[in-house]
Amino acid sequence: DGGITQSPKYLFRKEGQNVTLSCEQNLNHDAMYWYRQDPGQGLRLIYYSQIVNDFQKGDIAEGYSVSREKKESFPLTVTSAQKNPTAFYLCASNSGRTGEQYFGPGTRLTVT
Amino acid sequence: GENVEQHPSTLSVQEGDSAVIKCTYSDSASNYFPWYKQELGKRPQLIIDIRSNVGEKKDQRIAVTLNKTAKHFSLHITETQPEDSAVYFCALYNYQLIWGAGTKLIIKP
Repeated sequence: DGGITQSPKYLFRKEGQNVTLSCEQNLNHDAMYWYRQDPGQGLRLIYYSQIVNDFQKGDIAEGYSVSREKKESFPLTVTSAQKNPTAFYLCASNSGRTGEQYFGPGTRLTVT
Repeated sequence: GENVEQHPSTLSVQEGDSAVIKCTYSDSASNYFPWYKQELGKRPQLIIDIRSNVGEKKDQRIAVTLNKTAKHFSLHITETQPEDSAVYFCALYNYQLIWGAGTKLIIKP
């Protein structure tokens, strides 16, 4: 699985609740990424982090927040401000030297 | 910003035939061009990549070509098989991956 884990695989929440998605890697990679994928669509970048304690907004950061307190972990919080949070969320990492990204198995979030 | 255009969005080929997917880009600073395969409900998986100092790379039935002058790169799959059915994404790397919109490849038996 490329040394990246995401949990849980499926997540169900009620509208108005914040929810945090977990992403952990043991590849010693500096850079980590969060993507959102809607059915039949491509990957859209939410947030990324090139180094611990630093992160940048991607193309669709509104309604999401992240932290990078440890090199191994990059949790994503989907807040109640995200208008349409139901989607497949993918976490990825790379060493920054080659560009090759390794993906976690993804979390499918359903908000009703 | 940088943009990657991927064509076609859907490609249907007869089993055993070849499939070609093409991506064009605008930023000449990019130096790494990967291709990912994503099966339904699963994570994208890297299948082949090419760097800017190489024009072509082959791995069994899969090949990628890069034309930096024309700013396009293509994925070639020969002797297609049913397990090749998936969505294929091109990307280019310049501090982060910029993704194409994807091509749904359908292999007809």
